[in-house]
Amino acid sequence: DAGITQSPRHKVTETGTPVTLRCHQTENHRYMYWYRQDPGHGLRLIHYSYGVKDTDKGEVSDGYSVSRSKTEDFLLTLESATSSQTSVYFCAIRAGTVQETQYFGPGTRLLVL
Amino acid sequence: GDSVTQMEGPVTLSEEAFLTINCTYTATGYPSLFWYVQYPGEGLQLLLKATKADDKGSNKGFEATYRKETTSFHLEKGSVQVSDSAVYFCALGDNNNDMRFGAGTRLTVKP
Repeated sequence: DAGITQSPRHKVTETGTPVTLRCHQTENHRYMYWYRQDPGHGLRLIHYSYGVKDTDKGEVSDGYSVSRSKTEDFLLTLESATSSQTSVYFCAIRAGTVQETQYFGPGTRLLVL
Repeated sequence: GDSVTQMEGPVTLSEEAFLTINCTYTATGYPSLFWYVQYPGEGLQLLLKATKADDKGSNKGFEATYRKETTSFHLEKGSVQVSDSAVYFCALGDNNNDMRFGAGTRLTVKP
């Protein structure tokens, strides 16, 4: 257990509304990640953070923004949700000193109507 | 870019059967290789990993060997149990914060 929680765990929203997902970790890890999981695609990286206020884009960053104002929290925002953003979102942290090993939160299931 | 290809599922086996889930990768550098398992309604859990060629990762009776010559990291278990029913993901990671996942293979084990 890497001490990662995500909130909310489930959310239903309407197209065009803003949505913010929260990832919280308790072990002071520097690197945090947001992925989305879709059938047939495995997990795809949206954004990641390598420190407070330090973030970078991943493979599927369009339509998403992130913020990290403190080490323990990494927020993912959909500024104007679309149906194509219906997915399961996972947060992860990186731990270990020899090559990165990522540990995942329980996920947030988002439905955009 | 780097990528991972794993065998499509679903895979259905009887309890105590032998399991192989194939995974091959394409990478320009020397990545680490991982297998993750996802049980229903949960996040991914690290099952095993290997950080260099010829390394064997093992955990809970599962094994996978990092084969550079065949660019493969196949997951095996000698005798599966009903509790092994889950989705299995092969992944590779490099030093550039870029972890690539396969599409996942759903395994169902029947009593």
